[in-house]
Amino acid sequence: DAMVIQNPRYQVTQFGKPVTLSCSQTLNHNVMYWYQQKSSQAPKLLFHYYDKDFNNEADTPDNFQSRRPNTSFCFLDIRSPGLGDAAMYLCATSSRGWQEHEQFFGPGTRLTVL
Amino acid sequence: SQQGEEDPQALSIQEGENATMNCSYKTSINNLQWYRQNSGRGLVHLILIRSNEREKHSGRLRVTLDTSKKSSSLLITASRAADTASYFCATLILNNDMRFGAGTRLTVKP
Repeated sequence: DAMVIQNPRYQVTQFGKPVTLSCSQTLNHNVMYWYQQKSSQAPKLLFHYYDKDFNNEADTPDNFQSRRPNTSFCFLDIRSPGLGDAAMYLCATSSRGWQEHEQFFGPGTRLTVL
Repeated sequence: SQQGEEDPQALSIQEGENATMNCSYKTSINNLQWYRQNSGRGLVHLILIRSNEREKHSGRLRVTLDTSKKSSSLLITASRAADTASYFCATLILNNDMRFGAGTRLTVKP
């Protein structure tokens, strides 16, 4: 089945130690999103790619970076994780369609910062 | 930044009852979508309503959209315990940007 896969499902890192979260998709969608979701809050968009075009949200900290080497994969790099970065990170995809943009979400990676 | 506000923040009902959740938003939209999230999981798309539509149905779900009031409602009829989840509205604005509301936590008691 076509899907959005996130690895790992759980990630533990130490304060200040770089960490990379990965997302892959078999849907061949051209738009990929990264969201941060803290407990009992709405998903907060960090950035998205439309094909190779990177779109950063104005309030996304510089500590967060992303790479999309090809259509299928997208990575979230947190250069120096702080305690406040502990959250669920959700990857989503959608297909370019002006009136649509239904998003398909992966199961998320829960990040713990010690 | 967050686009939508949802109410109620939490809703608890008995199985078989209907559940209504509301969403308000601030800017012009292309479409509005509703998603469900089970605890600790990813979001699942439920239904999409375009800005030129007023009502849409999908199974036990009914969504309305009032663009003049910048609001939408999600009705779940004949609720089941399995409907227990958080429900989010999301609006598509510009340049593929999606904005999620704060969500309603629904609990359906058996």
